[in-house]
Amino acid sequence: EIVLTQSPGTLSLSPGERATLSCRASQSISSSYLAWYQQKAGQAPRLLIYGASSRATGIPDRFSGSGSGTDFTLTISRLEPEDFAVYYCQQYGSSPPWTFGQGTKVEIK
Amino acid sequence: QVQLQESGPGLVKPSQTLSLTCTVSGGSIGSGSYYWSWIRQPAGKGLEWIGRIYTSGSTNYNPSLKSRVTISIDTSKNQFSLKLSSVTAADTAVYYCARDYYDSSGYSYVRGVFDIWGQGTMVTVSS
Repeated sequence: EIVLTQSPGTLSLSPGERATLSCRASQSISSSYLAWYQQKAGQAPRLLIYGASSRATGIPDRFSGSGSGTDFTLTISRLEPEDFAVYYCQQYGSSPPWTFGQGTKVEIK
Repeated sequence: QVQLQESGPGLVKPSQTLSLTCTVSGGSIGSGSYYWSWIRQPAGKGLEWIGRIYTSGSTNYNPSLKSRVTISIDTSKNQFSLKLSSVTAADTAVYYCARDYYDSSGYSYVRGVFDIWGQGTMVTVSS
């Protein structure tokens, strides 16, 4: 099973600032099968990025993903008030089980 | 637009079986080539994929839960279900049902990526 480690645990930033979130895998993820989700309190996760860098339908272009192998990054170029939430990375390699990171909370500074 | 809704008991006694149903609305569970998954999240913690089912009835389960999990589908009712046996307090969580993402620009299903989720249902295991 691939273990995903996200850092930092909490990111304290102000609206308009840039957010950089990291996700590291315990082994290489084939074909960059890495996704990112946003989750707000009391809500289901929302898909942002898949294939490490492809934005899902309707996701603003301030969200971008990058990386390959074992190191991946989610960048939010300019934080909007609605972007303060918890973010999870997830690997969906060639076969299940799929696994998620423990999450990074982006909070208002 | 397809929507998912979980339903089932919010309280289950230890050693009993947790049973949840996900009802699909706004579309047919049998249309397309989607997998339908169950995912759970203990309070304040991360997400755990439980398992999935295809419209044909083919299933995959997380090895950590495989001995206790059964996922089934009823296309006539537009529903799929989760059964988790011999529950303990560690099974207390919000349970979500979810569907694979369809990339309309690439005309492909992205297996294991979830863009449609139910709202989640809290299940507490306690006597």
